[in-house]
Amino acid sequence: DTGVSQDPRHKITKRGQNVTFRCDPISEHNRLYWYRQTLGQGPEFLTYFQNEAQLEKSRLLSDRFSAERPKGSFSTLEIQRTEQGDSAMYLCASSPDRPNEKLFFGSGTQLSVL
Amino acid sequence: AQSVTQLDSQVPVFEEAPVELRCNYSSSVSVYLFWYVQYPNQGLQLLLKYLSGSTLVESINGFEAEFNKSQTSFHLRKPSVHISDTAEYFCAVSERETGGFKTIFGAGTRLFVKA
Repeated sequence: DTGVSQDPRHKITKRGQNVTFRCDPISEHNRLYWYRQTLGQGPEFLTYFQNEAQLEKSRLLSDRFSAERPKGSFSTLEIQRTEQGDSAMYLCASSPDRPNEKLFFGSGTQLSVL
Repeated sequence: AQSVTQLDSQVPVFEEAPVELRCNYSSSVSVYLFWYVQYPNQGLQLLLKYLSGSTLVESINGFEAEFNKSQTSFHLRKPSVHISDTAEYFCAVSERETGGFKTIFGAGTRLFVKA
């Protein structure tokens, strides 16, 4: 078990470009979450999946953000037409499908939009 | 809808002093409560959790948290802090949403332990 892995670790892009991040959860975990964290703030919920089903997407998330988990394993988060305000650490977490289970976090992808 | 409020953004304290990090939540249903810790340059990891039963829960490194349903609080305490406790601490709440469980985090409290 290698834990939750995220790729890339860092991404620098120009405003207006599209970016895609990948998350590989712990293999037996049904639930997968995406969070965004900026300096001095807690992780902000973006969306989560149970297996391949996307159960909820934050109302604060614009239509430029989309996430998929096509086979119920890895997930991708795409941001279209990036803006400087999108600069943040994007965190992925996974857990088994039980309410009392902790989240296992990846190391995150640090996005910088210039 | 759930929300988590951490009342202190920063808490400076001297080594061996006691500390309390405050957390209040709002939710209309039963919740599960967590404290996560993020040490400098590391990822988030679980510190302790409350599921049911005894309202006082403890971690292996001396922290404890008490669930108070009437005050909707889950404050984190340690009677004597160490330099190595310097980190950011996040309170989190998990409740059932349609089809599954969603975890929401507070804004975090930065604990800075001084020698």
